[in-house]
Amino acid sequence: EVQLVESGGGLVQPGGSLRLSCAASRFSTFSSYEMNWVRQAPGKGLEWVSYISAGGSNIYYADSVKGRFTISRDNANNSLYLQMNSLRAEDTAVYYCARCVAVPATECYYGMDVWGQGTTVTVSS
Amino acid sequence: DIQMTQSPSTLSASVGDRVTITCRASQSISSWLAWYQQTPGKAPKLLIYKASSLDSGVPSRFSGSGSGTEFTLAISSLQPDDFATYYCQQYNSYPYTFGQGTKLEIK
Repeated sequence: EVQLVESGGGLVQPGGSLRLSCAASRFSTFSSYEMNWVRQAPGKGLEWVSYISAGGSNIYYADSVKGRFTISRDNANNSLYLQMNSLRAEDTAVYYCARCVAVPATECYYGMDVWGQGTTVTVSS
Repeated sequence: DIQMTQSPSTLSASVGDRVTITCRASQSISSWLAWYQQTPGKAPKLLIYKASSLDSGVPSRFSGSGSGTEFTLAISSLQPDDFATYYCQQYNSYPYTFGQGTKLEIK
């Protein structure tokens, strides 16, 4: 069974930085899949954060994190990353990585079909 | 940004009931809509993609319909495992957006 495992969460002060990682295992070819970060604040709904295409050439961000967060991937090591800078209290959430499958001319055709278990980020002084 | 609005926010039902959840988009998203199920402390699980296609392994009591701006998730005969929170999500354009969620509770 394919698996995504996030890590790197923790407690950080406002204005600080964290780097989240997402390790993919049992994927046929990690480099074939688009990836996303989605977060969920305590007691709240889901919020899409960022997307990166299979080869890394297309990247998108939610307005709430644009300019502060950077998504990247290392296909040789089956890993996805989220560098989070200038963190704010409102960034406190569980962060999930989620896989998408593209077909020609259509990103995420099948929705987000595989999710990690999440890693918790708490921004507080 | 495309706004997604789900109704109702909370739904009380009994095992065996048929229930429907509605999701409306602020502009047309064609059929680029997914439904997810989430239980407390767990990651979301994909149920339906492209508005009406069932993901692999999802029971056939779940079904999705709609296109354009109005969509529906139906569960034909509720089972105990179905009591959870359900989210719709549009992937027609960035930023992807989710509905606020519908909590399905046991009556």
